[in-house]
Amino acid sequence: AQKVTQAQTEISVVEKEDVTLDCVYETRDTTYYLFWYKQPPSGELVFLIRRNSFDEQNEISGRYSWNFQKSTSSFNFTITASQVVDSAVYFCALSHISSGSARQLTFGSGTQLTVLP
Amino acid sequence: KAGVTQTPRYLIKTRGQQVTLSCSPISGHRSVSWYQQTPGQGLQFLFEYFSETQRNKGNFPGRFSGRQFSNSRSEMNVSTLELGDSALYLCASSLEQAARTGEQFFGPGTRLTVL
Repeated sequence: AQKVTQAQTEISVVEKEDVTLDCVYETRDTTYYLFWYKQPPSGELVFLIRRNSFDEQNEISGRYSWNFQKSTSSFNFTITASQVVDSAVYFCALSHISSGSARQLTFGSGTQLTVLP
Repeated sequence: KAGVTQTPRYLIKTRGQQVTLSCSPISGHRSVSWYQQTPGQGLQFLFEYFSETQRNKGNFPGRFSGRQFSNSRSEMNVSTLELGDSALYLCASSLEQAARTGEQFFGPGTRLTVL
């Protein structure tokens, strides 16, 4: 069975601090995709990144960076120099390739990030 | 390009009633997936439609059903509503190749409250 664990329920930081959101996953699929989504108070899930299981290179996009380590089944997300606008719930998700469609995602429980001014 | 639209945005129903939610995907997207989000269970996959056919279904009772029209718009229906059906229902659309990559674009959701 697939599982995504986001152990941090809530994180609070002061603006300009760096913050790392943890994600650990379980899957029997050899090919899979991992995602991070941001959910602001409006409710819409905003796509941040997709990473496939064969690409372990870390990625940086502006203040965002992602660390994928297959050996520890982790896909962590770091926000550098956090800003108040980063306040949201962040979800890590895993595609369900074995179901026949990668569109079926298994989500973690989310991490509520609050950035204080 | 317009994003995914969902109507209505908010809905209040009473137990035993049925409800229909609508989702219009991004132009050119032929796949629509539905997710339920509750505080207790989190985000859970309901079903996926592509070219008017259900491709996948999550672990939900038969009271939850859906369909997709020839213009790719999708509706989901919940019959005999229960209090536990109160949730944010999110729709996501994607291109055909997302069947391999999983990349989807989500709408703002419909918040259903069952009294």
